[in-house]
Amino acid sequence: ETGVTQTPRHLVMGMTNKKSLKCEQHLGHNAMYWYKQSAKKPLELMFVYSLEERVENNSVPSRFSPECPNSSHLFLHLHTLQPEDSALYLCASSQDPAGGVNTQYFGPGTRLTVL
Amino acid sequence: GQNIDQPTEMTATEGAIVQINCTYQTSGFNGLFWYQQHAGEAPTFLSYNVLDGLEEKGRFSSFLSRSKGYSYLLLKELQMKDSASYLCAVMDSNYQLIWGAGTKLIIKP
Repeated sequence: ETGVTQTPRHLVMGMTNKKSLKCEQHLGHNAMYWYKQSAKKPLELMFVYSLEERVENNSVPSRFSPECPNSSHLFLHLHTLQPEDSALYLCASSQDPAGGVNTQYFGPGTRLTVL
Repeated sequence: GQNIDQPTEMTATEGAIVQINCTYQTSGFNGLFWYQQHAGEAPTFLSYNVLDGLEEKGRFSSFLSRSKGYSYLLLKELQMKDSASYLCAVMDSNYQLIWGAGTKLIIKP
């Protein structure tokens, strides 16, 4: 148990569906991250929020829409996804990255399958 | 560009020692992290090196040579529960983590 929870753990959706992934951290951190993990590939950073402001958006398609209502919660809203979006989506948290070196703590991920 | 290289898969025997290598080329360096990830679970933090040398933490040790752009994770007295993927990541000059693709370690009895 790392102090970061994600729901759901597994999600199967059609290309026309709309769904949301949820992440919650109980570590008192003020930065949160979304990563995409595909088989045999490095983790891909999608979004970073620091102090509830988005500070990083690595050219992610608009069909992925993040939301960070407060420093403990992070959402990833999904709509009109493609089969190639099937992957493990990991959430992580840390202290403010602008403060220097920080260790990221991860949730267990949501395994997403797009049909 | 930025690049982290580590072997895709390694196999070792229970009770033995294994060394997982990681080489990197990044824009700036603010330390190197190792994470362990069991199948279907969260990556968990193992170690952080920013200075050259060996850091020992129980059965696990991590080594860094900044001049060579090289690190290794050493696992001693291997146990079956050590079967997992091991992820190497470097924090660049913007304090962003650059990740390797991970090394899947298989432990055989």
